[in-house]
Amino acid sequence: DGGITQSPKYLFRKEGQNVTLSCEQNLNHDAMYWYRQDPGQGLRLIYYSQIVNDFQKGDIAEGYSVSREKKESFPLTVTSAQKNPTAFYLCASSIDHIRDTQYFGPGTRLTVL
Amino acid sequence: QKEVEQNSGPLSVPEGAIASLNCTYSDRGSQSFFWYRQYSGKSPELIMFIYSNGDKEDGRFTAQLNKASQYVSLLIRDSQPSDSATYLCAVSRSGGYQKVTFGTGTKLQVIP
Repeated sequence: DGGITQSPKYLFRKEGQNVTLSCEQNLNHDAMYWYRQDPGQGLRLIYYSQIVNDFQKGDIAEGYSVSREKKESFPLTVTSAQKNPTAFYLCASSIDHIRDTQYFGPGTRLTVL
Repeated sequence: QKEVEQNSGPLSVPEGAIASLNCTYSDRGSQSFFWYRQYSGKSPELIMFIYSNGDKEDGRFTAQLNKASQYVSLLIRDSQPSDSATYLCAVSRSGGYQKVTFGTGTKLQVIP
């Protein structure tokens, strides 16, 4: 089955810890994205990557970091510098940055204890 | 003014009726328009995309686009309780990397 997987489904973090959220896709898509969703707000773009070894900041990149060493993988690290990290994190991919129909993974719900 | 605006709802319709979900956008250069369905606690699922003015039908769903009025809508015919979800409208300029901007969504409740 082709698709996007995210792990873990639920993640709990203590204040001051860095955590890494996994996103993998086997759709052979070039472009990948990370969004954050908070109650009552639209999806906000954290980072995106158009090709391997390249990524760009989105609207709310502060306190987050990413890497894109493989086409299939785009992990997101939530650092201790992110002041309010509790949210639903969504990874998405599209064929490329021009054909921009995005497909989402199942999401990771992060809670800071 | 928000870039993509949707009425948060809830929009309540009886089972079997037509549900009409509306979305307006502010960027006149927008070229690609998407509708996603999001069940509570789940991730968004693509329902339809539309690029040209007019109607696009897919099963019980019809997307309508009017670029002059900066308006896109989603009609759901023969609404079912399983259609109860939040529907997100998304818009982008397309061509090169252009950010997709999402609305906050309209919650639809289909009453049996």
